[in-house]
Amino acid sequence: SQQGEEDPQALSIQEGENATMNCSYKTSINNLQWYRQNSGRGLVHLILIRSNEREKHSGRLRVTLDTSKKSSSLLITASRAADTASYFCATDSSSVAGGTSYGKLTFGQGTILTVHP
Amino acid sequence: DADVTQTPRNRITKTGKRIMLECSQTKGHDRMYWYRQDPGLGLRLIYYSFDVKDINKGEISDGYSVSRQAQAKFSLSLESAIPNQTALYFCATSDPRSSSYNEQFFGPGTRLTVL
Repeated sequence: SQQGEEDPQALSIQEGENATMNCSYKTSINNLQWYRQNSGRGLVHLILIRSNEREKHSGRLRVTLDTSKKSSSLLITASRAADTASYFCATDSSSVAGGTSYGKLTFGQGTILTVHP
Repeated sequence: DADVTQTPRNRITKTGKRIMLECSQTKGHDRMYWYRQDPGLGLRLIYYSFDVKDINKGEISDGYSVSRQAQAKFSLSLESAIPNQTALYFCATSDPRSSSYNEQFFGPGTRLTVL
């Protein structure tokens, strides 16, 4: 079963608007990651937030994490047509040994973002 | 990103055939993973390997086998392909020694169709 559930499944916005995607998960995590996938291609890592962090920024991306609610959100500000893609959250709930997790990720089903020029 | 390559990129085969998908990486990473992606679903982990001598089953390993021939090579086999194994298959790598050790780097994918 999927650890991460994403909402919405699809999002359509105009260029310049902000896009917010949400991810909920079920078990405790070491970290949560967001990936982007252009149609039919491999996933590209966007950002990682650790379980002891609440917010993280990278360029136009802002990720928040609420471990009490087991949820995360990805905000893309000032969206561009080139941001059109599928976005996936992935949780790392694997065991930790020697301070390093086993790095097994469980992916959500993704949000399809379409940004219209 | 050409650091993780997959061959073939597309494959059409028939039910009952044996198929091997290959993954090679030049990133020097110890950890490698095989996922499958079905329409409307996220990626599901088939097998993962933390080094040449360590191979583990993932969430959906039934019907699949793997071989880690070297640090750089990780192959996925379908011993007797069936139509519900039609999917997009991805190989990924990660480096536990790096500061971003949880980040996974993905290959371009192999689209497999089983008729």
